[in-house]
Amino acid sequence: GAVVSQHPSRVICKSGTSVKIECRSLDFQATTMFWYRQFPKQSLMLMATSNEGSKATYEQGVEKDKFLINHASLTLSTLTVTSAHPEDSSFYICSAREIDREFLYFFGQGTRLTVV
Amino acid sequence: EDKVVQSPLSLVVHEGDTVTLNCSYEVTNFRSLLWYKQEKKAPTFLFMLTSSGIEKKSGRLSSILDKKELFSILNITATQTGDSAVYLCAVDFLPSTGGGNKLTFGTGTQLKVEL
Repeated sequence: GAVVSQHPSRVICKSGTSVKIECRSLDFQATTMFWYRQFPKQSLMLMATSNEGSKATYEQGVEKDKFLINHASLTLSTLTVTSAHPEDSSFYICSAREIDREFLYFFGQGTRLTVV
Repeated sequence: EDKVVQSPLSLVVHEGDTVTLNCSYEVTNFRSLLWYKQEKKAPTFLFMLTSSGIEKKSGRLSSILDKKELFSILNITATQTGDSAVYLCAVDFLPSTGGGNKLTFGTGTQLKVEL
């Protein structure tokens, strides 16, 4: 089955620093990847949709300058949380969709970000 | 506004009980409805439903979709402690605002199965 690898699984950083999270599709090509954020006891909220080779589309209320998304290849998308603050602490999950199977979404393992 | 609503928000049952989880939706250009189980990490896929009235079954879990009334149910029979998790309902749809199709998730149902 299709595998999406997300790294790191857990990261602690200091306020003001930037953190990069990687999302890789290991055995398929993903034209589209999605980034979600999940607060404790809440559901997954879509932050942005990234398409290979083009700018990401951000959901309403998500700061594009704070959450930088790059989808430079068909197997890799990155989310960089810039100038992180404690309120950015959350669980971030990526999802990838295969070129020929647009009805299937595969999820990464998630990244627990703690900003201190 | 596109939305997915799940009920109940949380549920505590005893092993062996049967539970029914509900998901209603209101989206433009519906494509499919998906159920996921989430324990500590990322969601794991359970079912994808596209047609009304056709039950999908996997072991003790089953699910059905009603596209006329815009809802789905997830049934778990003979529950076990290992079924304790958050169950998420998501709808794949094509937004009227443009762009490609995407998932929107419901609030989730927290299920706890006790001995």
